Amino acid sequence: NAGVMQNPRHLVRRRGQEARLRCSPMKGHSHVYWYRQLPEEGLKFMVYLQKENIIDESGMPKERFSAEFPKEGPSILRIQQVVRGDSAAYFCASSPPAGGLYNEQFFGPGTRLTVL
Amino acid sequence: KNEVEQSPQNLTAQEGEFITINCSYSVGISALHWLQQHPGGGIVSLFMLSSGKKKHGRLIATINIQEKHSSLHITASHPRDSAVYICAVRPPSVETSGSRLTFGEGTQLTVNP
Repeated sequence: NAGVMQNPRHLVRRRGQEARLRCSPMKGHSHVYWYRQLPEEGLKFMVYLQKENIIDESGMPKERFSAEFPKEGPSILRIQQVVRGDSAAYFCASSPPAGGLYNEQFFGPGTRLTVL
Repeated sequence: KNEVEQSPQNLTAQEGEFITINCSYSVGISALHWLQQHPGGGIVSLFMLSSGKKKHGRLIATINIQEKHSSLHITASHPRDSAVYICAVRPPSVETSGSRLTFGEGTQLTVNP
């Protein structure tokens, strides 16, 4: 049973380009979370999605950032017109459909975005 | 003030020592997680607990809901335990705020041989 997969593991973009980060949850998991870790800072929640629905996007920057989790395929975190401040590690986590206290999250290896 | 505070920020120990990392939180929670982040950056979930105590190998996690405090203990520490240990809490209302986690800043542990 493969774990949470993220790709690419490392992504380099120039200012103004678009970055697309992909997350494939664990088999059977339908909940996906995106977290960002800025250099020398702790992890911060960005967005929580279920299949075809954004449940909580209160941690997403208001502009340039969007996320989706389509019925088929991986979850995508998209950053348009990247700036140097977007350089960070972006982690995806997934959890099974069962709710409540048993909803443990499993983390992917992260995508390290560098904006030149 | 952060909702989740960890102490110490940095901890250096000799191999074999007993280690304790503390986590205090100021909000209501439904569960608390302890995570481990290795130098390569990957994150591993160590424990998820909502009461009492859990043990896995040399790791023990405890939580006191009334005092809003949790501890992570490592017995017989080893250099391979060197990593950042992160405490994270989940809000009580799964329906409205989902399972978003709020994280502490992490504790950098270095175990010397």
